[in-house]
Amino acid sequence: GAGVSQTPSNKVTEKGKYVELRCDPISGHTALYWYRQSLGQGPEFLIYFQGTGAADDSGLPNDRFFAVRPEGSVSTLKIQRTERGDSAVYLCASSSGLRVGHEQFFGPGTRLTVL
Amino acid sequence: EDKVVQSPLSLVVHEGDTVTLNCSYEVTNFRSLLWYKQEKKAPTFLFMLTSSGIEKKSGRLSSILDKKELFSILNITATQTGDSAIYLCAVVARNTPLVFGKGTRLSVIA
Repeated sequence: GAGVSQTPSNKVTEKGKYVELRCDPISGHTALYWYRQSLGQGPEFLIYFQGTGAADDSGLPNDRFFAVRPEGSVSTLKIQRTERGDSAVYLCASSSGLRVGHEQFFGPGTRLTVL
Repeated sequence: EDKVVQSPLSLVVHEGDTVTLNCSYEVTNFRSLLWYKQEKKAPTFLFMLTSSGIEKKSGRLSSILDKKELFSILNITATQTGDSAIYLCAVVARNTPLVFGKGTRLSVIA
């Protein structure tokens, strides 16, 4: 596609429910990143994929969070037993470079609200 | 722990003013510093800086990096209302993803 797309754009759920957030990167981009941005804060790194494998998942806050990228393109961020503190905008980015510092292109994000 | 600090956190200026946004950092094995503009949700890329003292320019925006003093500035001249946004600074260390600052919220009023 022309840019990074994310679905849904907004998600409202109840505490304790399971949610999946989807990211479709720019075609051909091998690197994919997930970030979380809370109000008044900069994006906070969660996990980074190079191809199908998670190259760095050190930013995932706990084991309720999991992400996959089975075919090296689309990625899904999965959150189990959601808590109110998980409410944030979840941003996905992709880049073509093998180096981590290569320019990253961001999607519009998914605003998650946990009631 | 890698750290990026931006100042000011917010700024209100009039159209036509020049602004300077600051970003200081403490990281191990610095590789590059990036500036992004965030208007609604998606940050859009502005500059990537890897070498000290070399100014990068794009229209009314320019940026420079000082690797000795560990900071970068982003300048915007002749500001317009369309420049209103959050400006994010991020740093890449060796083999680590972007570490972002909290951003500077710029408001340009007519």
